[in-house]
Amino acid sequence: SQTIHQWPATLVQPVGSPLSLECTVEGTSNPNLYWYRQAAGRGLQLLFYSVGIGQISSEVPQNLSASRPQDRQFILSSKKLLLSDSGFYLCAWDRGFSTDTQYFGPGTRLTVL
Amino acid sequence: KQEVTQIPAALSVPEGENLVLNCSFTDSAIYNLQWFRQDPGKGLTSLLLIQSSQREQTSGRLNASLDKSSGRSTLYIAASQPGDSATYLCAVRKETSGSRLTFGEGTQLTVNP
Repeated sequence: SQTIHQWPATLVQPVGSPLSLECTVEGTSNPNLYWYRQAAGRGLQLLFYSVGIGQISSEVPQNLSASRPQDRQFILSSKKLLLSDSGFYLCAWDRGFSTDTQYFGPGTRLTVL
Repeated sequence: KQEVTQIPAALSVPEGENLVLNCSFTDSAIYNLQWFRQDPGKGLTSLLLIQSSQREQTSGRLNASLDKSSGRSTLYIAASQPGDSATYLCAVRKETSGSRLTFGEGTQLTVNP
């Protein structure tokens, strides 16, 4: 069966510090991978998605970047965090078919102070 | 631009009640619609996926319907239990946006014992 992991689970960082969040998927190959952000009490906003190694699409202009160094690894980064980067970050995967369900990881709670 | 709206934003009911959560979307050109459950501080769990050619899907006490032409979906929960307390999110996968999902902001459900 497939499993998706995210770490860290929680993170408190000062403004201006760098960020690296990691997501890995087990039990499948060549998944589509997604990074979402959820602000408090809000729906999910898609940040990045990837259909393959090194292939990243950005949905919104922002202070963040994403990379996919391996087939089942997706990394969200920032060089300098802003207060507005605080939120709940969720990684998800699917097989890339239009009929697919998306499966979500447990999330990372980021607080920027 | 696809917009997804969920009504009500919050709902509190006594245990045992049958209830309906609503989701509406502006662009009817969708591949499918998914209902997710999110517990506080956790990731999303997929509940039901309805393809655009389907009218409804059932899983246990949950029944989701889809009226694509009118841009509406409902999630029916029968005989609600305190363990059903969570935020319920709907998301659509548009024909023009590949595998990306557009989420509503969710309905926060509380079932009181």
